[in-house]
Amino acid sequence: AQSVSQHNHHVILSEAASLELGCNYSYGGTVNLFWYVQYPGQHLQLLLKYFSGDPLVKGIKGFEAEFIKSKFSFNLRKPSVQWSDTAEYFCAVNASGGSYIPTFGRGTSLIVHP
Amino acid sequence: GAVVSQHPSWVICKSGTSVKIECRSLDFQATTMFWYRQFPKQSLMLMATSNEGSKATYEQGVEKDKFLINHASLTLSTLTVTSAHPEDSSFYICSARDLKLRENYEQYFGPGTRLTVT
Repeated sequence: AQSVSQHNHHVILSEAASLELGCNYSYGGTVNLFWYVQYPGQHLQLLLKYFSGDPLVKGIKGFEAEFIKSKFSFNLRKPSVQWSDTAEYFCAVNASGGSYIPTFGRGTSLIVHP
Repeated sequence: GAVVSQHPSWVICKSGTSVKIECRSLDFQATTMFWYRQFPKQSLMLMATSNEGSKATYEQGVEKDKFLINHASLTLSTLTVTSAHPEDSSFYICSARDLKLRENYEQYFGPGTRLTVT
């Protein structure tokens, strides 16, 4: 079974700072990778996803993530965060071995100070 | 994009009563729907996978007699919390897969239902 680790549980940044949230997974086969965001009081929204092709994926709101297969990683980045990026961020993985049912990381709480 | 709705968005019930939560895919057909539970500041915990026309598959540790799931059509799944207790208070989220995007296995999430049992 696959598992997902998000090492940064709480991140606090000032506006305009750069962001990188770590995500590592454990599964030896082909995976699909996702980053979701949950703004306070709102539902999960898909930020970006990787299925195949270019390992550098660009998503909404200026976010991007890079799939590094050799490191089993899919880190999320944003060059300059805004106060409105304050939210919970979840990394998720699904794979054929798990019937494509996603496994979520425990999430990272990001607080951006204006 | 694909839209998933949940009803109600929040509900308060007394201990011992049952509560039904609906999950609908509004603009697509979903062969599979998923039910998650989310505790404050924690990740989503998969409770069960619901396939249209068949019995739900429950994750280990989830009581199937307490959390009744019905997937009667390609656009509707329901979760009934029976004989609710305060420890069942939580945020329940459903998600659905688009039949036409089967090869991608992407899920679309509903807005969640906040259940408070008093």
